[in-house]
Amino acid sequence: DAGVTQSPTHLIKTRGQQVTLRCSPKSGHDTVSWYQQALGQGPQFIFQYYEEEERQRGNFPDRFSGHQFPNYSSELNVNALLLGDSALYLCASSLGGALYTEAFFGQGTRLTVV
Amino acid sequence: AQSVAQPEDQVNVAEGNPLTVKCTYSVSGNPYLFWYVQYPNRGLQFLLKYITGDNLVKGSYGFEAEFNKSQTSFHLKKPSALVSDSALYFCAVRGGNQGGKLIFGQGTELSVKP
Repeated sequence: DAGVTQSPTHLIKTRGQQVTLRCSPKSGHDTVSWYQQALGQGPQFIFQYYEEEERQRGNFPDRFSGHQFPNYSSELNVNALLLGDSALYLCASSLGGALYTEAFFGQGTRLTVV
Repeated sequence: AQSVAQPEDQVNVAEGNPLTVKCTYSVSGNPYLFWYVQYPNRGLQFLLKYITGDNLVKGSYGFEAEFNKSQTSFHLKKPSALVSDSALYFCAVRGGNQGGKLIFGQGTELSVKP
């Protein structure tokens, strides 16, 4: 079982650019969530996708958008990058929408905005 | 609003001694509580969860956690610490009307010395 895989592992972008991060969920999982983890902080929820729809969104601006594909993989897009967007971006997958199911996380994408 | 507090930024323990990493939460309704561990430059790894039932839950690598509803706490414990347990630990909660998103604490750095 491959677990949750994210690509790329590291990325350096310039302010104002756009970036796309990718995530493949754990086998059998149909729900994907994205989190932003700034240095020294806990992960912050960005949004969750289920059945190709955004089901829930955290307090992030519209510059952050996403997509889920029929095979349940997902992308996170960030437009007009700011220095403050530099962080570890984590993808988590789970099965269905039950609140008691644990989420499995990928290794993350380290985004540096310069 | 839902929240999680980890009052200790760092916990230092000698190898072989018991360890406790503290977590308190605030949520309306029944909480679903989780502990995750993060090793340097890695994603989060699930340790254990509390859903309902027995207040003492057992998880991976010999860790356990005690749920205390009256104190709104969910402390992580291990009877005998290993040097390899040194990592960053996060407590998280789901529940109330917040849907499927996980609310994380700020994290506690556990250092186990030989």
